[in-house]
Amino acid sequence: EAQVTQNPRYLITVTGKKLTVTCSQNMNHEYMSWYRQDPGLGLRQIYYSMNVEVTDKGDVPEGYKVSRKEKRNFPLILESPSPNQTSLYFCASRDPLGQGYNEQYFGPGTRLTVT
Amino acid sequence: AQSVTQLDSHVSVSEGTPVLLRCNYSSSYSPSLFWYVQHPNKGLQLLLKYTSAATLVKGINGFEAEFKKSETSFHLTKPSAHMSDAAEYFCVVPSLGTYKYIFGTGTRLKVLA
Repeated sequence: EAQVTQNPRYLITVTGKKLTVTCSQNMNHEYMSWYRQDPGLGLRQIYYSMNVEVTDKGDVPEGYKVSRKEKRNFPLILESPSPNQTSLYFCASRDPLGQGYNEQYFGPGTRLTVT
Repeated sequence: AQSVTQLDSHVSVSEGTPVLLRCNYSSSYSPSLFWYVQHPNKGLQLLLKYTSAATLVKGINGFEAEFKKSETSFHLTKPSAHMSDAAEYFCVVPSLGTYKYIFGTGTRLKVLA
């Protein structure tokens, strides 16, 4: 089954404790992206990757890091989480065709709470 | 910069009545537009997409949307609401000249029995 998977689905952590949220897709997509969803703000793009070793900032990259060493994986790293990073996080992937013609496929989400 | 506005944060309809969720975007040109649905505690699922092939786009679950360039609108409609349509809906537009996407702030649809 074609899908995007994220782990963990739920995470409660404390301020400053480094964490990684994994994302993997089995559709051989070149483009992958991370979003955070906050009430009343919709989804905002954190980082995206056009291909292996190619990443770029979205609209809210502060406090986050990403890496793309393999095509199927795109982990999100919070080196020193803070309470304002408490949010629902989604990973997505799509075929690369152009700058937005294709739809994205989303993972199930990771609910992160930073205390 | 490209932007997208969902005009209603909440919409309530009775079961069996029409649904209208409104979306306006900032530019008269867009290579594509999308509507996604998010059911409670679920990820996002594509409802439909516009890619300039036809202005009236049909999606899943009886939804459709019409691209109106003159009004810069892409409103989502359904003739008859079902209880299972209760969810949050997002209008999405690619950010021109970049590889980013811009999401509307969402419309939460409530369907009353």
